[in-house]
Amino acid sequence: KNEVEQSPQNLTAQEGEFITINCSYSVGISALHWLQQHPGGGIVSLFMLSSGKKKHGRLIATINIQEKHSSLHITASHPRDSAVYICAVTGTASKLTFGTGTRLQVTL
Amino acid sequence: GAVVSQHPSRVICKSGTSVKIECRSLDFQATTMFWYRQFPKQSLMLMATSNEGSKATYEQGVEKDKFLINHASLTLSTLTVTSAHPEDSSFYICSAKKGGGTYEQYFGPGTRLTVT
Repeated sequence: KNEVEQSPQNLTAQEGEFITINCSYSVGISALHWLQQHPGGGIVSLFMLSSGKKKHGRLIATINIQEKHSSLHITASHPRDSAVYICAVTGTASKLTFGTGTRLQVTL
Repeated sequence: GAVVSQHPSRVICKSGTSVKIECRSLDFQATTMFWYRQFPKQSLMLMATSNEGSKATYEQGVEKDKFLINHASLTLSTLTVTSAHPEDSSFYICSAKKGGGTYEQYFGPGTRLTVT
């Protein structure tokens, strides 16, 4: 079992839909990250959080430390949101452990 | 702020040659830089952690003599793939971390290496 599990692995949505991607982890963490990787490969850090909730534009990230679970929500999804979304956790020595990613395709 | 660049973005080299990839933090000092490798449709795999002025710490299974890492300054780390083979073909990504106890990492755009 991976230390960081994401679901779903693949997600197709229509433009405008509300999207939720889930991340569960099994280790103690200092912080949890949500990353976005576009087809070209570059990675953008969307959020880093250790408690509660953060919002940036149409993106919302929440974390429940007791349940070791985080969610990434996208409101009013758009085709340009199509990407791979990766959950990662910071453990010891500031190392990141990555989930396997969720491939999102938003269609018109 | 917090921009990380990588050069080159793509490189093709012949088997047996060496190739160097640079990772630069453009607007901050990076006390720690990380090198990752990503195979198609797989997640990132940490190869090594480098701290400025000291030897890199390699993850289990990563050959330090094959993947030479140098972190000579607070804004530059290099990864040299020595005697490259086709199985070294991959996407290599670096990230950089500021000092001061923050956990945030800033990622470079990646370098796609193809060994023929």
